[in-house]
Amino acid sequence: DGGITQSPKYLFRKEGQNVTLSCEQNLNHDAMYWYRQDPGQGLRLIYYSQIVNDFQKGDIAEGYSVSREKKESFPLTVTSAQKNPTAFYLCASSSRTAMNTEAFFGQGTRLTVV
Amino acid sequence: AQSVTQLDSQVPVFEEAPVELRCNYSSSVSVYLFWYVQYPNQGLQLLLKYLSGSTLVESINGFEAEFNKSQTSFHLRKPSVHISDTAEYFCAVSDYGNQFYFGTGTSLTVIP
Repeated sequence: DGGITQSPKYLFRKEGQNVTLSCEQNLNHDAMYWYRQDPGQGLRLIYYSQIVNDFQKGDIAEGYSVSREKKESFPLTVTSAQKNPTAFYLCASSSRTAMNTEAFFGQGTRLTVV
Repeated sequence: AQSVTQLDSQVPVFEEAPVELRCNYSSSVSVYLFWYVQYPNQGLQLLLKYLSGSTLVESINGFEAEFNKSQTSFHLRKPSVHISDTAEYFCAVSDYGNQFYFGTGTSLTVIP
């Protein structure tokens, strides 16, 4: 089945450690996105990529980094510079064809930093 | 840039009663409009979308939304809610797929 896979579902890290969240899609979508979700704040865009080897900062990119070496993969690294990393992280992808413009989401990764 | 406003953060409603979740957006260009639903600790699932054509769009589980260009609104309605409709609902706009902008969400609680 086609879809987006985020792993792991739950992740615990000690403060000061970098951590990488995985996002893989087999939908052949060009665009991929990372969002952060906090209670009452909706979804905030961290980074997005419209094509392989290219990505842009979103609204809250500080303390995060990404790579897009393959069309299928868009990993997110939460660095020690992120002041409040505990959150629910959602990866999404989309196609830009005429009738298939919605974003498809993974099941999310809940990161807890202790 | 586009923005989305969901004025109601929480909406409690009795089972089998009607419900409306409000969504307003601002944009200087034409957009696509979406409603997503999220159950606890899960990703977002598309509920319905408006791309063009008829301004009234429907989902398979009884929800409908109407695009009102003059009021820049895309309110979500259901004539009779069920317990299983309890979830978080997000309105979103997209500038032809380049980016997606989400509202802050409305938590719908259906009371038995």
